[in-house]
Amino acid sequence: DQQVKQNSPSLSVQEGRISILNCDYTNSMFDYFLWYKKYPAEGPTFLISISSIKDKNEDGRFTVFLNKSAKHLSLHIVPSQPGDSAVYFCAATPANTGNQFYFGTGTSLTVIP
Amino acid sequence: GAVVSQHPSWVICKSGTSVKIECRSLDFQATTMFWYRQFPKQSLMLMATSNEGSKATYEQGVEKDKFLINHASLTLSTLTVTSAHPEDSSFYICSAPRPGKPDTQYFGPGTRLTVL
Repeated sequence: DQQVKQNSPSLSVQEGRISILNCDYTNSMFDYFLWYKKYPAEGPTFLISISSIKDKNEDGRFTVFLNKSAKHLSLHIVPSQPGDSAVYFCAATPANTGNQFYFGTGTSLTVIP
Repeated sequence: GAVVSQHPSWVICKSGTSVKIECRSLDFQATTMFWYRQFPKQSLMLMATSNEGSKATYEQGVEKDKFLINHASLTLSTLTVTSAHPEDSSFYICSAPRPGKPDTQYFGPGTRLTVL
């Protein structure tokens, strides 16, 4: 079964507004979480990560929030720009597995100019 | 729910040997699958697109004779690393498009290859 889920396959947001992408997981052993961004015909590129010892990590316009009790993380992009239009994947990895990643199915974000 | 599995999850081999990695779609059919290699700083490089019943499409710079891809059925793609060398040690991940939602994908859990 999918251990990492992104329940919204698509999201449209107006330029300048906030984009919120959500991700849920089931495995309590996950202790490191990542977000990847993928453009068509390219491989995913790493965007931002968060360790389970934190509940927030910020990098410029991108902020990832982690709610361990709810097994939920979210990626906030503010302000959203047209260049942010892409598919976003969340991923999680348990401790001591040597980078064995579990990916969500992705959310396609469209930022409308 | 639909998932993609990979086997094995870990493999250690001697230099010069060949290693086969399997990628299976469970509960859905995938005419297309993708193979990625993970590089430092966690980026994933698309290596090739595996097409059921036809030749794989390789990305520029990927040696097709070294990384053999076979998509023998609608649920199975295999990546064979031939004559593996230590520089081939990496993490290999496959993915398959979600049925009906090709913009999004199911990813396998990855295979860690270590070549001694």
